Amino acid sequence: NAGVMQNPRHLVRRRGQEARLRCSPMKGHSHVYWYRQLPEEGLKFMVYLQKENIIDESGMPKERFSAEFPKEGPSILRIQQVVRGDSAAYFCASSPGQGRGEQFFGPGTRLTVL
Amino acid sequence: GESVGLHLPTLSVQEGDNSIINCAYSNSASDYFIWYKQESGKGPQFIIDIRSNMDKRQGQRVTVLLNKTVKHLSLQIAATQPGDSAVYFCAENESNTGNQFYFGTGTSLTVIP
Repeated sequence: NAGVMQNPRHLVRRRGQEARLRCSPMKGHSHVYWYRQLPEEGLKFMVYLQKENIIDESGMPKERFSAEFPKEGPSILRIQQVVRGDSAAYFCASSPGQGRGEQFFGPGTRLTVL
Repeated sequence: GESVGLHLPTLSVQEGDNSIINCAYSNSASDYFIWYKQESGKGPQFIIDIRSNMDKRQGQRVTVLLNKTVKHLSLQIAATQPGDSAVYFCAENESNTGNQFYFGTGTSLTVIP
């Protein structure tokens, strides 16, 4: 059973470009979470999605950031018009369903904005 | 979310000694906690969890202690090994707010052979 997959592992963008980060949850998992980690800091919650629904986006910046988890395919975190402050590691986690419990993390995408 | 922080940002221990990593949380409504281990260049890995109706939980070589009175939890690693070198995060969750977790800054553990 493959774990949570994220791609690309490393992404370099120039200021003003768009960044698209993909996350495929573990098989059978219908809940996806996105976190951002700045160097030397902990993970900051961004958004929680179920299939085709955004459950909680309280941690997501109001502008330029969006997330989706379509019925088919991976979850996408999209950052438009990237700025240097967006440089960070973005982690996706998944969990099987209702109720709290362990979230399984992917290896992360390291975004560098030049 | 409420702040979750760790007392010590770095910790060095001799191989074979026991390690204790501490975490303070400020949200008294938090009722579920997880310790994660993050190795360089990797995503966090689940170590052990504890719910607020417990004050101690043991796993393989690890023990988590929860003191709700002072809003403090700790991770104890017995017979620390070089492979335990990593950054350790505590994460807290409040059932009323859903499934998202709030993470502390982390403690970097270095095991000296």
